[in-house]
Amino acid sequence: EVQLVESGGGLVQPGGSLRLSCAASGFTFSTYGMNWVRQAPGKGLEWVSYISTSGSAISYADSVKGRFTISRDNAKNSLYLQMNSLRAEDTAVYYCARAMTTLQNAFDIWGQGTMVTVSS
Amino acid sequence: DIQMTQAPSTLSASVGDRVTITCRASQSISSWLAWYQQKPGKAPKLLIYKASSLESGVPSRFSGSGSGTEFSLTISGLQPDDFATYYCQHYSSYSLFTFGPGTKVDIK
Repeated sequence: EVQLVESGGGLVQPGGSLRLSCAASGFTFSTYGMNWVRQAPGKGLEWVSYISTSGSAISYADSVKGRFTISRDNAKNSLYLQMNSLRAEDTAVYYCARAMTTLQNAFDIWGQGTMVTVSS
Repeated sequence: DIQMTQAPSTLSASVGDRVTITCRASQSISSWLAWYQQKPGKAPKLLIYKASSLESGVPSRFSGSGSGTEFSLTISGLQPDDFATYYCQHYSSYSLFTFGPGTKVDIK
């Protein structure tokens, strides 16, 4: 079964750090671009970051640029999001999502999400 | 940056209705558009990509159309399972992605 499972969410104080992980299974992880998408409570979807198959191409939303770092370990079938200098407005459910193909990179597989709460 | 808008923000409909949701881009995005369905507490689900291509396993009552700046998602014969929030998304080869604000389809 094709699956993405996020972990690492939790409660963190403003200014703190957190590292999210996404474990992939059921497909050849190294051949797909990957993304992080977040959703604040009661709000819509916000794309956060993208990483290409090899990690050579990376992009970020302006709202997290300079604070968040995306990475991947193809040997471990895992995607990561290092989040530093966290703010209250970063509170959200964070999803990892697979890009369909290099050309049509809509998000065809999603994880169940992990909740990040930034609060003192 | 490209901005995406959706209309309406909320749509009340009955089972069996034909419903249409509109998505507009602030500049031409060719056919680089996807539609997602999201139910409360669940992850989004891809319905349509490349503006009109139906994702595998998605019922044929869902269809997408449009190109350039105006797009639509149509559900022909609304089913009880279709009450959800729908998002459009622009995706690009430059690895930048923008979601629309969403349209909630609820029961009239």
